Amino acid sequence: GENVEQHPSTLSVQEGDSAVIKCTYSDSASNYFPWYKQELGKRPQLIIDIRSNVGEKKDQRIAVTLNKTAKHFSLHITETQPEDSAVYFCAASPPPPLSGGYNKLIFGAGTRLAVHP
Amino acid sequence: DTGVSQDPRHKITKRGQNVTFRCDPISEHNRLYWYRQTLGQGPEFLTYFQNEAQLEKSRLLSDRFSAERPKGSFSTLEIQRTEQGDSAMYLCASSEDRVGSPLHFGNGTRLTVT
Repeated sequence: GENVEQHPSTLSVQEGDSAVIKCTYSDSASNYFPWYKQELGKRPQLIIDIRSNVGEKKDQRIAVTLNKTAKHFSLHITETQPEDSAVYFCAASPPPPLSGGYNKLIFGAGTRLAVHP
Repeated sequence: DTGVSQDPRHKITKRGQNVTFRCDPISEHNRLYWYRQTLGQGPEFLTYFQNEAQLEKSRLLSDRFSAERPKGSFSTLEIQRTEQGDSAMYLCASSEDRVGSPLHFGNGTRLTVT
């Protein structure tokens, strides 16, 4: 089955710096790669996602890149702010058995990002 | 708040007792998922439903675990004869039944087995 590895496990940056989190996946058939942000005691919230037919996607200060050949994808946060501090999870989804939708996500172990003022 | 809601938020139980959690998905979402998250780890897939049909169960879901979604709306997750290793956050998520529909998570039920 699919296996997702995420690095680093912790990341500390100064406010205004960039942060990069990397993930690798094992199943070349996986075709959907979301990123979730989880603050302490709160639900995981989707911040950005990318599909396998796209190499890069941006949303304001957040971008995700996907390299299907190497089976890795990365989250880039620019101009970090203290409110970016949280645990970030990458995930990969193998194609569903039925047409339509994504039936499950396989998550990485998470990266704890600390942004210091 | 029209997001995914879970009840209770916290549950403390003694080993050997049965517990049941409830999840109310976003109303127009056909697909419902249960995940389990332990400290310092990402969520692990347990099972999912499309409407009332349970389409997939993880091997993590032992025979002490059962999930239902009888009318295709809310879902329950029951754990029988709880063990200390069952202590975790149990997350419910829902999504629309279409390509590219993202998962929306609830706040979870934190289970502590003493």
